[in-house]
Order: sequence, then structure tokens, then C-alpha cells
Amino acid sequence: GIQVEQSPPDLILQEGANSTLRCNFSDSVNNLQWFHQNPWGQLINLFYIPSGTKQNGRLSATTVATERYSLLYISSSQTTDSGVYFCAVERGNTPLVFGKGTRLSVIA
Amino acid sequence: DAEITQSPRHKITETGRQVTLACHQTWNHNNMFWYRQDLGHGLRLIHYSYGVQDTNKGEVSDGYSVSRSNTEDLPLTLESAASSQTSVYFCASSEISGNTIYFGEGSWLTVV
Repeated sequence: GIQVEQSPPDLILQEGANSTLRCNFSDSVNNLQWFHQNPWGQLINLFYIPSGTKQNGRLSATTVATERYSLLYISSSQTTDSGVYFCAVERGNTPLVFGKGTRLSVIA
Repeated sequence: DAEITQSPRHKITETGRQVTLACHQTWNHNNMFWYRQDLGHGLRLIHYSYGVQDTNKGEVSDGYSVSRSNTEDLPLTLESAASSQTSVYFCASSEISGNTIYFGEGSWLTVV
């Protein structure tokens, strides 16, 4: 099956810093989503981005489908950005496969 | 607003008991999924359904079953709960494959 690798596994930032999270996947996909899991365990949709670039406030994402990777950018990080960020991909009719996530801690 | 809800949100049960976790969505989505989340494993697929009367096994389906008798609901049953099934369970849905998938808030299950 398709493999999804995220890096880095852990990241500690000072408030106000910028960061880039990476997601590599092993095959072509028809769906790629980024999620934020907050400290209460909720999985929040950030982006649906099988290709191209999207921005939502301080967050943006880019997927280069031909090179099988996606990047999530967080600018001017805040303590509320802390949590785990997951990348998940879907290929054909196969349900979402998740990476193991990047655990982000933003320190005031 | 359309939504996806799970119940119960928290449950403690004894080894060997049958447990059912409910999942209900009001989007009229065709596709529904159950995942479990464990430390060190991320989210893993248990079962999924692409429509009424359709069910499929996922990566970690042993000890679990689902049924899809209508569009809105996909209950997950643990036939005989085991301590290894202590986990957080997430239900999700999407309109069709390739579309955005939405998750419920999770059900915390402890088997003692």
C-alpha cells in the first residue's frame, strides 16, 4: 500500500517563529489532506490539497503531486498552533492513509 | 449545520463484553470510516463503507465489525472487548472518494 512519511517527527518553536512541515508519499494520489490534532484530541481539517497551493491566514500548503510531496507552512506561530499535524493521502478507492504526524510545541 | 457525531465519547468496559460505538452523520455522505489512534501508530483504518449494505475491512479489523443499514449511521462493534482495544476511536465521512473527509470528535474506550 501507499506509504506516507512526515518530517520532522517533533518540532519546538519560539512563539513568532516560522516553520515548514513535510509530507512525502510513495505513489500518485487523488486526495491529500492536512489535519491539526489539538490538545483535546480533535482532528481539524486544515487543507484539502491534492495539488497546488492554498493559504488560510497564517497557514499555507503546497503539494507537488509529480514529485510526491506536500509542505505545510506555519508563519508567526502561536501557542495555539501546538498539537500534532497529520498528513493523509487517498489513492483511488483506497481510504485515507495517515502519516505518523509532526508534534509541534510552540513556547511563549 | 451538518455534522458527524460519535457516542459515547468516553466509556470504560470489562474484558469480554460486547461494546458498540455509534457514528451518525447528517451530510448524506456515501463513504464512512472507522479509525483507531494509538501512541506510536498514528491513525489506522478498522472498517469502512462506501454505501448502504457495503462494508470493507481495513488494516486492523480483527475483533471488530460494522454494519451499514442506512446512509447516516455506521456503528462499530467490538464483539468481545480486549485490553488491546483500549484506544481512541474516530469516525469519519466523505461524499465520495477523493473528496474532503471529515472526522468526528472521537470516542475514548478503556477496556479493563
